[in-house]
Amino acid sequence: EPEVTQTPSHQVTQMGQEVILRCVPISNHLYFYWYRQILGQKVEFLVSFYNNEISEKSEIFDDQFSVERPDGSNFTLKIRSTKLEDSAMYFCASSARTSGGRETQYFGPGTRLLVL
Amino acid sequence: GESVGLHLPTLSVQEGDNSIINCAYSNSASDYFIWYKQESGKGPQFIIDIRSNMDKRQGQRVTVLLNKTVKHLSLQIAATQPGDSAVYFCAENNGGSQGNLIFGKGTKLSVKP
Repeated sequence: EPEVTQTPSHQVTQMGQEVILRCVPISNHLYFYWYRQILGQKVEFLVSFYNNEISEKSEIFDDQFSVERPDGSNFTLKIRSTKLEDSAMYFCASSARTSGGRETQYFGPGTRLLVL
Repeated sequence: GESVGLHLPTLSVQEGDNSIINCAYSNSASDYFIWYKQESGKGPQFIIDIRSNMDKRQGQRVTVLLNKTVKHLSLQIAATQPGDSAVYFCAENNGGSQGNLIFGKGTKLSVKP
C-alpha cells in the first residue's frame, strides 16, 4: 500500500541553525501539506502546496519557514533559523485532489525535531 | 487556560465492548470530517470520513455519526480490541479550504484485555 515517507525520523539541532525536513508523498498525489504537533498537543496546520506554489498557510508559517518541491518526488520544509519553540513533531501529508478540502489526507510517520 | 502537555480525555473500555468517542467541531461551514487514529510515535492514520450531506457512515467495525445541528461528531468502534488503543482525533476541513484541516484535541482510548 502506498504511503508517505519522511526523513529523518529524528533531528536534533542548535537554536539558530537551519533544518530541512524531507518528505516523499504518495506518488500520484498532487497536494502536499505540512503539519506540526507540539508534544501533548493537537496537530496544527502549517501549509498546503499545489502546482509548485503555496495554496494556503497558517499564522505559524512565518518567514522562517519555506517549502519546496525540488524534484518529482520530494517535498521539503525548511526552517531557516530554528527557535526553541519549533521543537515538535512535523508531519507531511498528501492527497490526490483537494475538491474543496474534501479529499483524504494521508500522513507520514513524522520527524521529531528537537531544538536545543 | 491550557497548560503545556494538556491532559487528553481518556476513554477506558474492556476488550470486546463498543467504544464511542465524541468530538465537537468549530466551523459551521466545514463540510468534510475525518477521524484519525494516532499511535504513540506515529503519524495520524486515516480511519473514516464523512461529508456533510450524510449523517452516518459505516466502515469495518467503525461508524461515524454527524450532527450538524449541534456541530458534533462521534466515532463508534464495535468490539474494541487491544490494537485499537491509541489517541483518536477528529478533523474538519475548515469550511472547504484548500486543505487546511483543523484537528480536535484528541481522546485517548485504552482497551483493557
